[in-house]
Amino acid sequence: EAGVAQSPRYKIIEKRQSVAFWCNPISGHATLYWYQQILGQGPKLLIQFQNNGVVDDSQLPKDRFSAERLKGVDSTLKIQPAKLEDSAVYLCASSEITYEQYFGPGTRLTVT
Amino acid sequence: QKEVEQDPGPLSVPEGAIVSLNCTYSNSAFQYFMWYRQYSRKGPELLMYTYSSGNKEDGRFTAQVDKSSKYISLFIRDSQPSDSATYLCAMKAGTASKLTFGTGTRLQVTL
Repeated sequence: EAGVAQSPRYKIIEKRQSVAFWCNPISGHATLYWYQQILGQGPKLLIQFQNNGVVDDSQLPKDRFSAERLKGVDSTLKIQPAKLEDSAVYLCASSEITYEQYFGPGTRLTVT
Repeated sequence: QKEVEQDPGPLSVPEGAIVSLNCTYSNSAFQYFMWYRQYSRKGPELLMYTYSSGNKEDGRFTAQVDKSSKYISLFIRDSQPSDSATYLCAMKAGTASKLTFGTGTRLQVTL
């Protein structure tokens, strides 16, 4: 079974620039999550989709972050404009069962 | 106060040692408890899942939950260098789907 795919793996941008991350979940997984993991911290949920609808986006900084999941499959997360504090690993996960989330390798973002 | 507290380590043990990793939590609504393992530059992967107080064993791993003390543990027996990773506890309330993670404990098993 193919795992969760994410791209790019690494991205370096300057502050105030925009960036987008892509995620392809495991086939058949209806639920998709985007997490932010700052160095030395656990993942923090940014947004959760059930099919192509948003279930929880309470911790998504909506003034600069946006996410969409077209056709209930792939998803993109965008940051515009980026701030220094956005430097983190952005993890995508998918699941059939809530507690068993399968994570992708993440995108390591550095904002300079 | 954070909902989930976890000692970040690092924890260094010799090969073959028994490792004890712990988390405490403050939210009484948490009913489901998980341990994820995260290797460097990889995403977390689920190790153990439990929802009841007591012990659950899977090979060299034992998950322990004490809901009365709001305390969970992961024990690793006969630790191996391949166990070197960051271990994240995660929890969720009964009907919620959101997971709340601890900060992770970095474990190093030395030869």
